Amino acid sequence: EVQLVESGGGLIQPGGSLRLSCAASGFTVSSDYMNWVRQAPGKGLEWVSVTLSGGNSYYGASVKGRFTVSRDNSKNTVYLQMNSLRAEDTAVYFCVRGWWEGFDYWGQGTLVTVSS
Amino acid sequence: SYELTQPPSVSVSPGQTARITCSGDVLPKQYIYWYQQKPGQAPILVIYKDNKRPSGIPERFSGSSSGTTVTLTISGVQAEDEAAYYCHSPHTSGTYGVFGGGTKLTVL
Repeated sequence: EVQLVESGGGLIQPGGSLRLSCAASGFTVSSDYMNWVRQAPGKGLEWVSVTLSGGNSYYGASVKGRFTVSRDNSKNTVYLQMNSLRAEDTAVYFCVRGWWEGFDYWGQGTLVTVSS
Repeated sequence: SYELTQPPSVSVSPGQTARITCSGDVLPKQYIYWYQQKPGQAPILVIYKDNKRPSGIPERFSGSSSGTTVTLTISGVQAEDEAAYYCHSPHTSGTYGVFGGGTKLTVL
């Protein structure tokens, strides 16, 4: 059974850093496209990043240069390193598998709150 | 980058047909995917590649496209279909994607 479990969210001050984790089971993250999608409170979905099976990562304009994705194949886990956080980064962050066949599996999400 | 435009809300009575549109200049060249999200839950995929239905999604959900507009149609709407619906288009290069703003479907 495919499962994605995010962790690492919390309250962080503006300008701070936070690393989110996404532990996968039931498939191999290195064999699939892995995404981060976020949702600000009461707002719509925003695509944040994709990591291709080959390892390259791409980012949305609002986070490019501040967020970085990495992958630990031995732990079957994907990470989202978030630096220079802003109030507008406050959101639930979902770890999501897929691309051409759709985003077929989503984690339950982890809340990041950027506030002083 | 590009944008996808959805109506903020659609309302229908139970048993009627709901149509939710998604418009964008790049749509004739890109596939569209549709997601349903109920409050407090993660989204689920209901249509992929314009008109394909994942296993487990009821047949009343269908997708179609015409020019720069794609449409999610829910035939015989049920109370459980009340949710927000988002269209999404991944770029063909596999390097970025964009969501529409979402449509809140209300079942009267």
